[in-house]
Amino acid sequence: AQKVTQAQTEISVVEKEDVTLDCVYETRDTTYYLFWYKQPPSGELVFLIRRNSFDEQNEISGRYSWNFQKSTSSFNFTITASQVVDSAVYFCALSDNNAGNMLTFGGGTRLMVKP
Amino acid sequence: DTAVSQTPKYLVTQMGNDKSIKCEQNLGHDTMYWYKQDSKKFLKIMFSYNNKELIINETVPNRFSPKSPDKAHLNLHINSLELGDSAVYFCASSQGNADTQYFGPGTRLTVL
Repeated sequence: AQKVTQAQTEISVVEKEDVTLDCVYETRDTTYYLFWYKQPPSGELVFLIRRNSFDEQNEISGRYSWNFQKSTSSFNFTITASQVVDSAVYFCALSDNNAGNMLTFGGGTRLMVKP
Repeated sequence: DTAVSQTPKYLVTQMGNDKSIKCEQNLGHDTMYWYKQDSKKFLKIMFSYNNKELIINETVPNRFSPKSPDKAHLNLHINSLELGDSAVYFCASSQGNADTQYFGPGTRLTVL
């Protein structure tokens, strides 16, 4: 069965610090997709990134970067030079054929960035 | 233009009542979903639906039923509401299986 673990339930940093949010996943499929979503205090779920299991290239988007390592079944998310507006709950999620491609979410990591 | 919309945003009701939450997407997507987020922020899939197939999470009570009048809508009906149904319910849509899912703003349901 598929599973996503975000071991860090809460992280607190000071503005301008770099922070990495960990995500470890389990799946029996060889084809799967990994996602990160952001849930700010206003409550909506904002899509950040989608990666497929055949593409292990790291990705950078502005201050955000993602490190995908199949060898450790991890898909970690780093925010560089964090800002107060980054404060949110971040969810890692997995989609594979066994689950009818429905998303299995991790428990989320609450990030608090203090000024 | 809102891509995925839900109504109402807030819903407060008594135990035992029947209620519906509406969801509409204007993205032209083929697949729609319902998720439940509990008070601890855990997000769990309830249903996945396209015009060919309904996939139900086996843990969802049969008091919950999705109804799709057309491809752009997937409404959630809940019968005999219970206290434990209190949660935020999110609708989502994607072009196809495994494509990115875009979420609605959520409906906060409170059962008294």
